[in-house]
Amino acid sequence: DSGVTQTPKHLITATGQRVTLRCSPRSGDLSVYWYQQSLDQGLQFLIQYYNGEERAKGNILERFSAQQFPDLHSELNLSSLELGDSALYFCASSVGISGETQYFGPGTRLLVL
Amino acid sequence: TQLLEQSPQFLSIQEGENLTVYCNSSSVFSSLQWYRQEPGEGPVLLVTVVTGGEVKKLKRLTFQFGDARKDSSLHITAAQPGDTGLYLCAGASQGTSYGKLTFGQGTILTVHP
Repeated sequence: DSGVTQTPKHLITATGQRVTLRCSPRSGDLSVYWYQQSLDQGLQFLIQYYNGEERAKGNILERFSAQQFPDLHSELNLSSLELGDSALYFCASSVGISGETQYFGPGTRLLVL
Repeated sequence: TQLLEQSPQFLSIQEGENLTVYCNSSSVFSSLQWYRQEPGEGPVLLVTVVTGGEVKKLKRLTFQFGDARKDSSLHITAAQPGDTGLYLCAGASQGTSYGKLTFGQGTILTVHP
């Protein structure tokens, strides 16, 4: 158990819908990272928040957004969902901003039908 | 764009054999991490290497960071069926104020009893 929690574990929805994925980092970790894992693209970095502020963006679509709240939990919002958004979404956390040691949650498996 | 190339992509061996997985890039990383991931679960951190030339051992696993901090290797001695899984290397960008990790495509290891 990494100490990072993610909910829900599974999510099935339809195209065009909007979903919210939630992540609670390890106790004491200030950075939260979101990654998408698909069979063809591998594990891709989406976005990083540090102590409530956005620090880095990867290949995150405009239809996707995230935020980190004062209690340091984070949410990833995916809207206007397409079939190609079906993937595993992972949250990771680290103590500092440099992210040299990141601990991953169990992931949310999203299936868009 | 930083890329990490992992090889081989697939590895199928018998119990007791040795193996090495390689992770190469043309970019310099401040650190490199190795993860192991089981189907449907999040990546589990095995080790972080930071110093060029560094060697770390974790039981039967030996990790090495290249002198120039552009490449790394994972060597497993006397592989066991329990070592089966997806092995991922990930590099942390140098000289930045954020913690984006660039992941290799992974090596799927199968150890047959």
